[in-house]
Amino acid sequence: GEDVEQSLFLSVREGDSSVINCTYTDSSSTYLYWYKQEPGAGLQLLTYIFSNMDMKQDQRLTVLLNKKDKHLSLRIADTQTGDSAIYFCAERIGGGGNKLTFGTGTQLKVEL
Amino acid sequence: DGGITQSPKYLFRKEGQNVTLSCEQNLNHDAMYWYRQDPGQGLRLIYYSQIVNDFQKGDIAEGYSVSREKKESFPLTVTSAQKNPTAFYLCASSISGWEQFFGPGTRLTVL
Repeated sequence: GEDVEQSLFLSVREGDSSVINCTYTDSSSTYLYWYKQEPGAGLQLLTYIFSNMDMKQDQRLTVLLNKKDKHLSLRIADTQTGDSAIYFCAERIGGGGNKLTFGTGTQLKVEL
Repeated sequence: DGGITQSPKYLFRKEGQNVTLSCEQNLNHDAMYWYRQDPGQGLRLIYYSQIVNDFQKGDIAEGYSVSREKKESFPLTVTSAQKNPTAFYLCASSISGWEQFFGPGTRLTVL
């Protein structure tokens, strides 16, 4: 089945690292994505990882994938107030119209 | 500028009325998608279209209808059969399902 779960809230202090976690259930996922949504706006793709990779780093962002546990995480280094947003993980499963299944989203609040 | 536009940004509807949400893209993408977003529930797929004149139901299609007469346009109609239509609606497009680009969304409120 297709089910993606995330914790709803995360609060961090400015300058600290943030880690947002995601678990998924479908082992046939081909790509996994992290999207960012600012208030009242659409989603913006932050980064992605292929299912045959374990880690991907892109400037302040690090994505870790544990396929055995079906666990995906997004680490934001030196978190800034501008990082406050909702973060969604999503999985794409091969075939089937190239649909994405999104997680529930994690609201990140960055405090001074 | 290439991108996806949705209009209007805010929409109010009386109970029992149908309403149509617009989605236009000039990215030359083949695939287009409609999602509904409710607090704490993430995004749920309503309908998607991979090619002109063809579309498929997503996970929550009941009470909604779509058309895809042009590559650039994928309007969504929220019918009176949708029992709880108040939500934030997001349209997306992709060239091959690889990366979905999202519009700014339409917030629909039923009065």
